[in-house]
This record gives sequence, structure tokens and C-alpha cells, in this order.
Amino acid sequence: ILNVEQSPQSLHVQEGDSTNFTCSFPSSNFYALHWYRWETAKSPEALFVMTLNGDEKKKGRISATLNTKEGYSYLYIKGSQPEDSATYLCACRSSDKLIFGTGTRLQVFP
Amino acid sequence: DTAVSQTPKYLVTQMGNDKSIKCEQNLGHDTMYWYKQDSKKFLKIMFSYNNKELIINETVPNRFSPKSPDKAHLNLHINSLELGDSAVYFCASSYHRLPSGNTIYFGEGSWLTVV
Repeated sequence: ILNVEQSPQSLHVQEGDSTNFTCSFPSSNFYALHWYRWETAKSPEALFVMTLNGDEKKKGRISATLNTKEGYSYLYIKGSQPEDSATYLCACRSSDKLIFGTGTRLQVFP
Repeated sequence: DTAVSQTPKYLVTQMGNDKSIKCEQNLGHDTMYWYKQDSKKFLKIMFSYNNKELIINETVPNRFSPKSPDKAHLNLHINSLELGDSAVYFCASSYHRLPSGNTIYFGEGSWLTVV
């Protein structure tokens, strides 16, 4: 059974701070790693899909890296803003399924 | 325009009732999914359909029955609702089956409360 873990569970930062969090997954039978941003009562929004070891993706102030050999991905947010407050989910693709972690809940205070 | 839309968004119902949640996607995708957010906040796959054909059926009670009248729709019917069925149910779709470079697009979720 594929187990995807995220840390920390929650994070409180001040506006302007940069932050990062981790997604760990089994490195065997790896297909792809997805990051989603999810605000309550809204659809989880796809941020990145990464497939190759060493992949780095960037979208505005948010970026992500992937290490498939050791089984982890980092998500970075530079200069956090209050509108970045959300739960950030990672999911590892195994065959036809996406297996999700429990997410990191980020709150950015003005 | 909402890409993946599911209705109702909120549903409160009594134990023993039968209810359905509908899902439609206008993205032209051929694969659709139902996920359940469990008590530990995990999003877990329940079912997946590709071109109206069931391809994933996780260990879900047979009180849950998905129906896909066409590839743009995947409805979830739940018989004899139990308290433990209270959860948020997410519909999703993707262009072709995984694995490939495709992402999954989610609806906003349907909050089901069984009392």
C-alpha cells in the first residue's frame, strides 16, 4: 500500500516570510507526483505535476522540486501572502490511482 | 464556466435513506473519479470510469453504486445511508487514464451529513 506523508501538518507564518513543506512517498513504482492547493469549499487546484527525478517547477512565487530516488518533494512559497493560506496536498500516482497525503495547512498572517 | 460540477453541494439526510450525488464535466475528459475525504482528511479513491467503463473499484460497500450514462457524467448513488457515510465526496476527471502526464481536475465537493 502506497503511503504518502506530508509535514508539517500545519504552519503559521507572517506575511512576507518564505516557507516550505515536504511530501514523502515510496520511491519504488513511482509514476508522478502532484501538488494541489485547496481552499475549503472550493475545488482542489492543480499546481504541479512532476515525473522526473530532479524536476523543478515554478508558478509565480510557488515552486516545487522532486527527488524520486529518495522519495520526497518540497514545495516552496516565497514571500508568503495572506491569499496563500490554504491546504497544500501532494499526491503520488500509482498505476491508475492518485494516493493523497493529508496535506499541510498553511496560514499566513498579515 | 465550472469545469467539474457536482450537485448537491450540501446534503443532510436521515439514516436509511437513499441519495444520489451528480457530477458533470465539460472538459472533454474521458476518465472520471469519485474520491471520499475520510475522517483523517485523506482523499481516497472510490471509483474510476473510463469512457463509461468501470476501471477502479476500491473496497467500497456495495451500497455505493456509481453510474456513468456518458463520459461527461458520473453519478454516485448511495443506498441505506449510515452515519459513517458522512463525509465530503469529490468528483474529478482527467484526460485519459493515469499514468501519464495528465492532472486530475476536481469538483468543489459534496458535503454529506447523515443524521
